[in-house]
Amino acid sequence: GAVVSQHPSWVICKSGTSVKIECRSLDFQATTMFWYRQFPKQSLMLMATSNEGSKATYEQGVEKDKFLINHASLTLSTLTVTSAHPEDSSFYICSARAGGGEGTDTQYFGPGTRLTVL
Amino acid sequence: GNSVTQMEGPVTLSEEAFLTINCTYTATGYPSLFWYVQYPGEGLQLLLKATKADDKGSNKGFEATYRKETTSFHLEKGSVQVSDSAVYFCALTYQAGTALIFGKGTTLSVSS
Repeated sequence: GAVVSQHPSWVICKSGTSVKIECRSLDFQATTMFWYRQFPKQSLMLMATSNEGSKATYEQGVEKDKFLINHASLTLSTLTVTSAHPEDSSFYICSARAGGGEGTDTQYFGPGTRLTVL
Repeated sequence: GNSVTQMEGPVTLSEEAFLTINCTYTATGYPSLFWYVQYPGEGLQLLLKATKADDKGSNKGFEATYRKETTSFHLEKGSVQVSDSAVYFCALTYQAGTALIFGKGTTLSVSS
């Protein structure tokens, strides 16, 4: 159990275009989802926290108008990179936390999405 | 602030060697502690966790003990295998439901 999927697994786009990444919890309801960014050979940096039905909370330095997050249901959150530029190229990873009860401090991670902006 | 410090890698070992990857943390209150593993080309997987002092998390031969007095959560395995080659991340949450704070990761390479 506790599987999180991401789609697409990789995407290449032209500079100036927008890219949407989906994160789904397949066998549990995720009240909270997190979006991380991982640069090569570095750790994961939290970008934002999203709770179902409310606006995402962005970390300092993350542009909310550039990285649009929508958590419309308990099993789906989307990250849209708007007007992407080469410096946005990175590995984007989502994680999901089940709501309530035992083990709610455990997060389950998606496999990540490799974004390359040309 | 809250932070996690891991030993710098890469760590290179021969098969069946003993593994220790050091992890120390700084946190307010009593965080939950985790080890995640990232195999090449894959996402992070939870390896083990401990939620209170003196708890020992264990999985797949790996273990780590939550040491409050030394604020540490070192990862150990008695006999590593080639298949253990991966990047290992130590992490904490200082409040249930909040995002994880990760260490920088330690790359382990095991040769036969």
